[in-house]
Amino acid sequence: GQNIDQPTEMTATEGAIVQINCTYQTSGFNGLFWYQQHAGEAPTFLSYNVLDGLEEKGRFSSFLSRSKGYSYLLLKELQMKDSASYLCVTYPGGATNKLIFGTGTLLAVQP
Amino acid sequence: DVKVTQSSRYLVKRTGEKVFLECVQDMDHENMFWYRQDPGLGLRLIYFSYDVKMKEKGDIPEGYSVSREKKERFSLILESASTNQTSMYLCASSHGTSDSPLHFGNGTRLTVT
Repeated sequence: GQNIDQPTEMTATEGAIVQINCTYQTSGFNGLFWYQQHAGEAPTFLSYNVLDGLEEKGRFSSFLSRSKGYSYLLLKELQMKDSASYLCVTYPGGATNKLIFGTGTLLAVQP
Repeated sequence: DVKVTQSSRYLVKRTGEKVFLECVQDMDHENMFWYRQDPGLGLRLIYFSYDVKMKEKGDIPEGYSVSREKKERFSLILESASTNQTSMYLCASSHGTSDSPLHFGNGTRLTVT
């Protein structure tokens, strides 16, 4: 089966660090994406992990443990504009990029 | 930058109407997708296409069809719109490699009355 779990909502303070967790159980696994989606807008690509470990990209980092079926997105030096929904997305495999989307974590950054 | 353009931002249609949602991408991507997004359910795949004139059913194809006559254009058709098809519809495209991210259009919010 296919299942992705991530918290529904989180709140954090401007300037702080927040970690958004994601666990997955999928029948195949060939990588994990994180997308950001602001209210009323389309999702935009943040990161892609296929090997275990941490990938850092500016204020955002993403971690993957394939053996544990676990990933997290780490946001540092939070800004108000980081208030958005963060989608954990797995790629089970196959030739056509058919992805499995989590329902998203709505992050509210407060002053 | 990749641009994925959806023809309408908002649409209001009546039950039973045939509805066409158009999507065009400008980066020569092989793959194109149609999703719908509903609160609490996340993105669900309706149909996708990995080449011109090719189409594959996604997870919720009932009540929909698609057309891909040209590589850059992927159309979603609601044969007879129903109120349960009121939703946000998102088109996306990507290259044909496993690590290629999806690029989304801005979405069409369809209301069926």
